[in-house]
Amino acid sequence: QKEVEQDPGPLSVPEGAIVSLNCTYSNSAFQYFMWYRQYSRKGPELLMYTYSSGNKEDGRFTAQVDKSSKYISLFIRDSQPSDSATYLCAMRITGGGNKLTFGTGTQLKVEL
Amino acid sequence: DADVTQTPRNRITKTGKRIMLECSQTKGHDRMYWYRQDPGLGLRLIYYSFDVKDINKGEISDGYSVSRQAQAKFSLSLESAIPNQTALYFCATSGTISGSQETQYFGPGTRLLVL
Repeated sequence: QKEVEQDPGPLSVPEGAIVSLNCTYSNSAFQYFMWYRQYSRKGPELLMYTYSSGNKEDGRFTAQVDKSSKYISLFIRDSQPSDSATYLCAMRITGGGNKLTFGTGTQLKVEL
Repeated sequence: DADVTQTPRNRITKTGKRIMLECSQTKGHDRMYWYRQDPGLGLRLIYYSFDVKDINKGEISDGYSVSRQAQAKFSLSLESAIPNQTALYFCATSGTISGSQETQYFGPGTRLLVL
């Protein structure tokens, strides 16, 4: 079993829809949680960063962490075709040389 | 200019050849990483370096070696390339985004095909 599980998709939604992307994990020592966005033929870019449990909002994006369930989510409101990309969750423990453990990524397509 | 650059961006080589992938960064970060990305497997860490004198193996280091020539430069070598090493390779650097929070910044990737 992988330490971080993520549904690969693909997920196809109409423009304007609310998108929910999720990851589950098994290591209770993870304290820092990130979402990266990766466009085709590009490197991942950091989208959201949260520490421990709770919510964080940035524009149309909301990251949610539920440590008791070992479950993290990324919500995208009013989705746009430009949101079409692969979304990778990543997480790390405190210290540990900032080594990240990644999910395999969910491919999202927002259709006009 | 990009903060993390990788060369070459695309490379085709033959089985048994030695090749080097290069990474440079202008972010001033001490920590640098090499990953490979394969469909369905996500990003897997090959090697990482905390400074010029500190090199560490990641989860899939067999068949690879690295060199940290300077704070800003971190190279990945495939000593004798095999088709199984066909993948997308990313370099990343690590630094703070606010306070003590650290995260990683990725280069654009090198697409490698081993025939």
